[in-house]
Amino acid sequence: DAGVIQSPRHEVTEMGQEVTLRCKPISGHDYLFWYRQTMMRGLELLIYFNNNVPIDDSGMPEDRFSAKMPNASFSTLKIQPSEPRDSAVYFCASSLVMEASTDTQYFGPGTRLTVL
Amino acid sequence: AQTVTQSQPEMSVQEAETVTLSCTYDTSENNYYLFWYKQPPSRQMILVIRQEAYKQQNATENRFSVNFQKAAKSFSLKISDSQLGDTAMYFCAATSKDNAGNMLTFGGGTRLMVKP
Repeated sequence: DAGVIQSPRHEVTEMGQEVTLRCKPISGHDYLFWYRQTMMRGLELLIYFNNNVPIDDSGMPEDRFSAKMPNASFSTLKIQPSEPRDSAVYFCASSLVMEASTDTQYFGPGTRLTVL
Repeated sequence: AQTVTQSQPEMSVQEAETVTLSCTYDTSENNYYLFWYKQPPSRQMILVIRQEAYKQQNATENRFSVNFQKAAKSFSLKISDSQLGDTAMYFCAATSKDNAGNMLTFGGGTRLMVKP
C-alpha cells in the first residue's frame, strides 16, 4: 500500500482565498483524522471520521474550516476564506480499529500551507 | 481529559551513545495504547514504537525500546547506538476512547539532535 496520500504537499495562497487540502487514506482503514501542526500549538486534532461519517469536529477552529469525506478513499479539508494565521502543516492520518488492534494511526506526509 | 507531557523540549546525544526521552501521561482508562512518533526535518510523522497498556513487557524495535511504568504513568523511549538519522522531533502519544472510537493525544515533543 502506498500509505496515506496528501495533496498538495505545499500550498501558498493569499488571504481571502479558498484552500482545499486532499487526503487518500490507506485502503481498508475506517478512521480518518485531520491534524494541524504549528509551532505555538503543536499537533491539534481538527476532526475525525468513522466510516465516512464525521464523529468529532470540536477541534475545528471556526466556521471557515470544513471537512468532508464523500467516500472511503477520499477526504477534503477546506478553508474559506483563508487567513495568515491558518498557516501551518496539515496532516491526514488513518487507522483500522478492530478488536484487539492497537489503534495505530498512520500519517500522510502533510501539506504545508502558507497564507500571505 | 487525557494529557501527555514531554518535559524535555530539547536533547542532544553523541553518535553511538544511548539517550532516553521522557514522557508521562494521565488517563482514567484501563485499556489504552501508547506510541512514540518521529518527525524528521521532512515533516513526515513516522511511527517508531507502540505499547499496549495491558502488556507488562516493554516493547522493543531494533535500537528503540520503551520503559513502561504503568503505575507511574511513565513511558520513556530509549534509543541505543544513536545515529545521525535519528535527529528529529519525537512525540509521545496516547489513545483514548470516546463514544465512537479512538482519539490520539500528543505531547509537545522533544527535539533530539545526534552529534557526530
